[in-house]
Amino acid sequence: SAVISQKPSRDICQRGTSLTIQCQVDSQVTMMFWYRQQPGQSLTLIATANQGSEATYESGFVIDKFPISRPNLTFSTLTVSNMSPEDSSIYLCSVRTGLVVGELFFGEGSRLTVL
Amino acid sequence: AQSVTQPDIHITVSEGASLELRCNYSYGATPYLFWYVQSPGQGLQLLLKYFSGDTLVQGIKGFEAEFKRSQSSFNLRKPSVHWSDAAEYFCAVGALSDMRFGAGTRLTVKP
Repeated sequence: SAVISQKPSRDICQRGTSLTIQCQVDSQVTMMFWYRQQPGQSLTLIATANQGSEATYESGFVIDKFPISRPNLTFSTLTVSNMSPEDSSIYLCSVRTGLVVGELFFGEGSRLTVL
Repeated sequence: AQSVTQPDIHITVSEGASLELRCNYSYGATPYLFWYVQSPGQGLQLLLKYFSGDTLVQGIKGFEAEFKRSQSSFNLRKPSVHWSDAAEYFCAVGALSDMRFGAGTRLTVKP
């Protein structure tokens, strides 16, 4: 298993600003992912955070809007840039600890409200 | 491409009653299937998973799920619901690089 800490847990932001969310894992993990959960909806994968290289983005998500860093095997950041009210969501960091298919472990999420 | 359908957006059951949450999937190969629960304001917690073998899998909190390949289903069940089970439940199908989630079923438990 893995214990995942996300910061901030919640924030209220102004339109046009950017916010960086941090994800810290208590052990080295092979794969880290960032998901978005819009109000009342399911989870949508934003990107896979790759250690030492550029993140792999899903259709509809771009690096300029959601830059991601992963400097090592236990830490990643997601920045939500130039925010608008449509970016109000819960952003979830998740990890997979093995190299084969296995369950994802999730942080408690970062709830962003954009005014 | 893999996808997951949860036909029921919201279900209400009485405490002590049985529960079944439906999940149908579309996947090109052997599916890896999961059920997660999300309590209000919390992240997701894994209830159970199916990779292979016995098609009836047991999970935490008294939940079980049955994989039926012929019906492309992986329904979640619990014989007696507790008030603390009120939450959002997500079915998911996994792949090596990512996991796809259903839209979720919100469970309300009546006293």
